[in-house]
Amino acid sequence: DTGVSQDPRHKITKRGQNVTFRCDPISEHNRLYWYRQTLGQGPEFLTYFQNEAQLEKSRLLSDRFSAERPKGSFSTLEIQRTEQGDSAMYLCASSPKQGEETQYFGPGTRLLVL
Amino acid sequence: AQSVTQLDSHVSVSEGTPVLLRCNYSSSYSPSLFWYVQHPNKGLQLLLKYTSAATLVKGINGFEAEFKKSETSFHLTKPSAHMSDAAEYFCVVSESMNRDDKIIFGKGTRLHILP
Repeated sequence: DTGVSQDPRHKITKRGQNVTFRCDPISEHNRLYWYRQTLGQGPEFLTYFQNEAQLEKSRLLSDRFSAERPKGSFSTLEIQRTEQGDSAMYLCASSPKQGEETQYFGPGTRLLVL
Repeated sequence: AQSVTQLDSHVSVSEGTPVLLRCNYSSSYSPSLFWYVQHPNKGLQLLLKYTSAATLVKGINGFEAEFKKSETSFHLTKPSAHMSDAAEYFCVVSESMNRDDKIIFGKGTRLHILP
């Protein structure tokens, strides 16, 4: 399968703990996006990368959130000092290049903060 | 500023009858428009997209959508619903400006198929 993959698929953690999610985009896709989806809502944009450069961060991304894409391939999203409000599905998507708007989504990581 | 409104949070149709999922958008530029489908416990899948070519766009699984600039609409239709169509559908608008491909999702419409 050469689609976007995410790991883990599910994560349960206690409030205050740190968590890290990984996303592997489709090979040679330059752009990588992170979204958050809560129940009953559409995905909300968090941040995106063009290769290794993080080009935009949403206001939804508080200081407790950080994302990296060090080699322009896979990306990690870390949440520090998790809060119950962080419980959501975290989606990753990739697209081939700037101007190619079609984004290909991974299955998501479902986070539950107790 | 761009936005997208899905007019119905839930739609129920009987199997074999037509499907209509409504979407209106606003955009400062010539937008690209998409419909994605999300089945339970599965990733978002692209159904179809409009990118300023033909206004009637055909997608997978018999779905199609028509871009109507005068009505700022991009409704999704299918002539005959199948049980496997039951899922959440998202209308998406994207403006590609300079280096920023901003993408905005609607809140989704859950499609229920009645036997």
